[in-house]
Parts: sequence; C-alpha cells; structure tokens
Amino acid sequence: DIQMTQSPSSLSASGGDSVTITCRASQSINRNLHWYQQKPGKAPKLLIYAASNLQSGVPSRVSGSGSGTHFTLTIRSVQPEDLATYYCQQSYSYPWTFGQGTKVEIK
Amino acid sequence: QITLKESGPTLVKPTQTLTLTCTFSGFSLSSNGVGVAWIRQPPGKAPEWLALIYWDDDERYSPSLRSRLTISKGTSKNQVVLTMTNMDPVDTATYYCAHRGEDSSSVAEYLQHWGPGTLVTVSS
Repeated sequence: DIQMTQSPSSLSASGGDSVTITCRASQSINRNLHWYQQKPGKAPKLLIYAASNLQSGVPSRVSGSGSGTHFTLTIRSVQPEDLATYYCQQSYSYPWTFGQGTKVEIK
Repeated sequence: QITLKESGPTLVKPTQTLTLTCTFSGFSLSSNGVGVAWIRQPPGKAPEWLALIYWDDDERYSPSLRSRLTISKGTSKNQVVLTMTNMDPVDTATYYCAHRGEDSSSVAEYLQHWGPGTLVTVSS
C-alpha cells in the first residue's frame, strides 16, 4: 500500500494568516492526489483534485500544488469557517489511501 | 445535483454480517465512467477506503479486508450495497458512500460527492 504522511498533525492560525499543509507519498503517485476538508460531525468534502484543480464552489484562496511524492495545500487568508481537519488521498493505485489528517484551529 | 445516502443497521453484534445500502440520485451507475465507493472512518481517525464498483461491474477492494467485503449493484438501479462479514468491535465506524469523479486531462480518480455517513457500532 502507498503510505501518505501529512504534516503538521495540527496547527493554529489567526484570521487572515496563510497556512500550508504538506502531504508526502511513500512512492511517486504522479498527480493522483486529492485534498478533502472535514468539519466536525460532517462528511469529507472535496477541495482539490489531481493535485491542483479547484473543485467547483471552493473559494479561490484555496490552492494545491505538487507532483510525484510531495504535495501542498495552501489556504490564504484563513477564515473562521476553515476550522476543520484536512486529509490528502491518493488514487494512483489500489487500495486508495488517506493521510492521517491535519487539524486546523483558528485562534 | 448528485446526492448519496447510506442506510443500514446502527448496531450489530460481533460475528454478524453488516449490510449497508447506498441510495443515490443525479447519476446512473450504468453510464460510462461512473463508480461508487465505500469508505469508513473510525471515531477520531482518518478515513479508510474499502471498495469501489464501476459502471462495467469491475470491483476493487482493500486487500486487508477483501475476504470480508462484497460490493454490488442493488436490485434498484440507484443503489449500491456493501456487505461485511464477521463484524468485530474494531469495525465500529461511520461508513460513507461516495461518487467517483475523474479528471479528464490526467484521468485521476477522486471521491467527488459523499453521503452524510451512517455510524455503525459493533457491540454485544
């Protein structure tokens, strides 16, 4: 199985800050990397697909980059509604696997 | 508008078989390229992908759970069923179904639309 490792596990940011979450794959996955946001008590929601494509309806202050084994999710000008846990997920090979998550808290 | 919803028992006993149904609307599982996946998430943990069925009846499973899982199209055209045998307390989780999306340029697959999930507790 391909292992996905996210860092940091948690972070705290003030409103207006920019935050960056990193996801590393245990082997190259090209651009088969996706990002999800999960708010407490809710299902995960797709933010970014294929490393850098913004899902419809997601604000443009969210962006993704990377390829191969190293990927990043950046949220500019963090807002209170960004309080959530963020997961990366690879679909390069079965079984599809998720990172362990990054919990974002707003100061 | 694509929607999905999971249904099934909220409590099962150890060794029993779990059967969950995903009822969806807004797409057809007989259309080229369509797929529906099951994912679970134990309390406080990351999601875990379980299985995926494609429009052409191709089935994919998590190797670690393959012997216990079966994914199938339901008797109703807008349903997908997941069965998991020999349930154990460690299988306690929220179970989600999701619609597969695909990026046309890279052919990358992703979980585009999710149901709200259903919490299944395994306890005697």
